[in-house]
Amino acid sequence: GAGVSQSPRYKVAKRGQDVALRCDPISGHVSLFWYQQALGQGPEFLTYFQNEAQLDKSGLPSDRFFAERPEGSVSTLKIQRTQQEDSAVYLCASSLGQGVGDTEAFFGQGTRLTVV
Amino acid sequence: KQEVTQIPAALSVPEGENLVLNCSFTDSAIYNLQWFRQDPGKGLTSLLLIQSSQREQTSGRLNASLDKSSGRSTLYIAASQPGDSATYLCAVRWLSNTGKLIFGQGTTLQVKP
Repeated sequence: GAGVSQSPRYKVAKRGQDVALRCDPISGHVSLFWYQQALGQGPEFLTYFQNEAQLDKSGLPSDRFFAERPEGSVSTLKIQRTQQEDSAVYLCASSLGQGVGDTEAFFGQGTRLTVV
Repeated sequence: KQEVTQIPAALSVPEGENLVLNCSFTDSAIYNLQWFRQDPGKGLTSLLLIQSSQREQTSGRLNASLDKSSGRSTLYIAASQPGDSATYLCAVRWLSNTGKLIFGQGTTLQVKP
């Protein structure tokens, strides 16, 4: 596709509900990243995929957060038993290369999650 | 700990002014540094990417410089316009990590007509 696409754009979840956020990276991009951005803050790293392999999940805040990219293209970030502190914008980024030898990162519009 | 700091947090200038946004980072062993723009409710738009071997990059009215030894980067915006109003984020990719970006808190710029 022309850019990184994320869906839904907005999600309101009741506390305790499970949610799934989708990211469709730029076609052919090997690397895919998820970030969490709280209001008024810079994005914070959650997890990184190289093709279908999840190489770094050090930023996932708890075991309620799970990400997958089974075919090395579309990725899903799942949050189980959502809590109010999970309210944030979730950003997905992709880049062409692999690991440190990457080119620049391109971001999607984000999914704004509000937990009520 | 690898950290990125941006000062000031907010800046308001009259239209036409030249301005400088600052970014500082710990640990000079970076791979590259990327400047982004974020409009309210939107994702991030990449402005400039500077590799560790470069000193500066230019795109139109924007110029980004990099001084690894002092752990600093600046984004220079010439002849500012109201359309430049946005939050500007600096992000660093270090050699020791997997390619992830560490972001600063951002500088929110308002350019008044």
